[in-house]
Formats: sequence, C-alpha cells, structure tokens
Amino acid sequence: NAGVTQTPKFQVLKTGQSMTLQCAQDMNHNSMYWYRQDPGMGLRLIYYSASEGTTDKGEVPNGYNVSRLNKREFSLRLESAAPSQTSVYFCASRGTSGRAGELFFGEGSRLTVL
Amino acid sequence: AQSVTQLGSHVSVSEGALVLLRCNYSSSVPPYLFWYVQYPNQGLQLLLKYTTGATLVKGINGFEAEFKKSETSFHLTKPSAHMSDAAEYFCSLNAGGTSYGKLTFGQGTILTVHP
Repeated sequence: NAGVTQTPKFQVLKTGQSMTLQCAQDMNHNSMYWYRQDPGMGLRLIYYSASEGTTDKGEVPNGYNVSRLNKREFSLRLESAAPSQTSVYFCASRGTSGRAGELFFGEGSRLTVL
Repeated sequence: AQSVTQLGSHVSVSEGALVLLRCNYSSSVPPYLFWYVQYPNQGLQLLLKYTTGATLVKGINGFEAEFKKSETSFHLTKPSAHMSDAAEYFCSLNAGGTSYGKLTFGQGTILTVHP
C-alpha cells in the first residue's frame, strides 16, 4: 500500500538553482495538491489539480510551477530557488467524494535553500 | 473567503487528563470540517470529519469533535490523554463554492503529554 509517494525526501539547493519535486499516487484519485508547511503557519496550498490536464493556483503559487503529467503524477518545480522557499513540501491526493473526501498525504520533502 | 483559526499553538497536558484543542472557522456556506494529526517526520492523517448530520463526530484513537454552528467552532477533545497522542493537530475546512477542492488549514496546535 504505497499511497502517496514523494521524492526526494531531502534536498539542499543553492539560491538560483532549480529542481523538481515528484509525487505519485496509486489510489486512482482525481485531485492532487501541493502544500508547504512552515512553523506556525500551518499548511498553505501552492497548486491544485482537480483532474488530469487541469491545474489551479492556491494561496502561495509565486516561484513555483506544476505539471499534472497523468492521473497518477503531479510534479512541483522551483525554477530559481530562493531562501524563502526553504520549507517542508507535502503532496496530497483526494478521491471523488466531493467536499467530504479526505486528503491522503505523502511523507513530505524537506527542502533547504542556502 | 474561508478561514480556520486554531487557538493556542501549544497545549500541554498530563497523561490521563482531558485534551481540548480549539478550532474556529469562517465560511459563507455550510462547511465541511476535518481534524488531521501529524506525528514527527510524517505526513498528515485524518482523525475525523464533519460533513452533515450528527454534530458530534467520533474519530480514531478516542478523539471526538463537536460542530457548533452558532459558535462557528469545531473543537477536538479526548477524555484521557495518552503519551502516544503527542503530535501536531490541524483543523481544516472545505467550504466549496469558488473554493471547491481548496482545503484550508489552521496554523496547527502542538500537543505535549507529560507523564
């Protein structure tokens, strides 16, 4: 039972470098999400994909891009990393239960930008 | 706009004592509310949720929460804390409408349980 799998789990970047966080789910869920978690700020939505081929901005999209490659995979790209993007990133997916559907989370990707 | 406020970033209780974690929400439509728990170095997992119907909902590990529309609250309780309850807890809201699918989270409450 893999659920939601994120890679890498840890990454250190220098300012200006780029990288892509990968996420895959095996639950046949339509919706997928990227959140960032910072101390005292809870989880903030970066981007959201309601279904394959669609993406939508969340609360804090600046500095990020996403790709919904297929139903299983949703990647998050940092084109030019900044220290303010140091955070823990969580990918999540949700099934087709409308507003009642719960989120299933990956274990997180810890990113440090120097 | 929808929002969630968790009162108290840190709560400390003794083992066996009552646990009360507070959550207030703002929503222009009937909300769907969730509590998630996060253990160290892990992702979040669902504790319980309120959608419609009974306002007192029970979740895993002995937790329950009561939806009070008049108070716009969804506080999480457990009668007797256990050491294994130490974690961070998040209240979440799905208000639908133009925010459909975009769940909003509170700031989180870290629960510490003392022996």
